[in-house]
Formats: sequence, structure tokens, C-alpha cells
Amino acid sequence: SYVLTQPPSVSVAPGQTAIITCGGKNIGKKSVHWYHQKPGQAPVLLVYDDSDRPSGIPERFSGSNSGNTATLTISRVEAGDEADYYCQVWDNNSQHLVVFGGGTKLAVL
Amino acid sequence: QVQLQESGPGLMKPSQTLSLTCSVSGVSMNSDAHYWTWFRQQPGKGLEWIGYIHFIGTTHYNPSLQSRATISADTSKNQFSLKLASVTAADTAVYYCARDRRGSTWSFDHWGQGTLVIVSS
Repeated sequence: SYVLTQPPSVSVAPGQTAIITCGGKNIGKKSVHWYHQKPGQAPVLLVYDDSDRPSGIPERFSGSNSGNTATLTISRVEAGDEADYYCQVWDNNSQHLVVFGGGTKLAVL
Repeated sequence: QVQLQESGPGLMKPSQTLSLTCSVSGVSMNSDAHYWTWFRQQPGKGLEWIGYIHFIGTTHYNPSLQSRATISADTSKNQFSLKLASVTAADTAVYYCARDRRGSTWSFDHWGQGTLVIVSS
């Protein structure tokens, strides 16, 4: 099945920009979705179809996707952004349709 | 608004069959062309897709769980369910039900709060 690779952790100071990557073979040809998950809570959809945001998600969260890497960018990071972040794709080339990356823990210093 | 709520046994013994229910409110499962989906998250691990049931009744499962998992729906109760046979300690996890976002390529914008299932003798 399709494999998505994320860095285990990213650290950033408040007010700075965090960049979380999601690698996959030709991932630029797929639609990538991003979630964050805080301890004890369900995942929340932040970005869908590479770069669209559901209503209520701040513009500070943005996504892009090209080649073998998709990226979630969090601008003006706040302490409340500390969470686990997951990328996800639909892999219609296998029976394992819904694939997640391993997750990235964002630490706000 | 759409809300999903999981319910389940909490604690189970190995070899039993796990049975979870997701109660849907705010929308009729029959009225929308959505994929009603189960995920799980083992302690300290990432998210794992278990499978879905489409509103017309078709199902699809993660190949790694396909032999043990069954998803069904009771639209009269606006619920869908997951059964997982022959559980082991490796099935200890928080189980989430979710609904896909219409118009996106399989993203999920409505999730239940999750229910913890512990498998222990």
C-alpha cells in the first residue's frame, strides 16, 4: 500500500512559521488532507484537497503539494497549535484506500 | 449540525468479538451520499483506517483487518456499527467513527469523540 512519511517532530517558537512535510511517491498527483489532534481529542480536519480549508479553520494553516512532498505551513504559531499533525490521502491504486502518515508532533517552544 | 457518538464495551477479553455503534445526529444517513467510516488509534500510535459503509450499503475494509471486521448500518436508528472478531491485545485502541467531507477526495470532517477499548485477560 501507499506510504506517507512525516518527520516525528517539529519544534518552533511562538510567532514563527512551522513547516510539516509529508512525503510520498508522486504525492503531487494525489489530494492530500491534513489533520491535527490534541491529546484526548478526535482529529480535526485543517486542510483538504491539498490547500482548501474548512470553514472555521484560520488562514494561518495552509497547504501545498508537488512532486514527492506535500507541506502544511502554520504561520504565526501559537501555543495552542501544539498537537500531533497527520497527513492523509486516498489511495485508489490499492485496496488500502485511506492512508495516513505516521504523524508529526509539533512542539511550541 | 452533524454529530457522531461512539458507544462500546470499554473492556473485553481476548478472543471475544468487539461490537461498537456510532450514533449519528443532525443528518439522516439515508439522505446523503457519504461514507460512514471507522478508524482506530492504538496507544501512542497514529491513525488507522478500518473501513467504511456507503449510504447505499457497500462496504470496504483495510486489507489487514478485512478477515475480522464487519461494518453494517441500521438506518432506521441512524446508526452504523463495527464488529471485530477474535480480538487480541493488539486491538486495544481508541475507536473513532467519522464521515467524509462531501466534495473532497476522501477527507473526513466529522468525527466522534472516540471510545477506548481495552482487550485484556
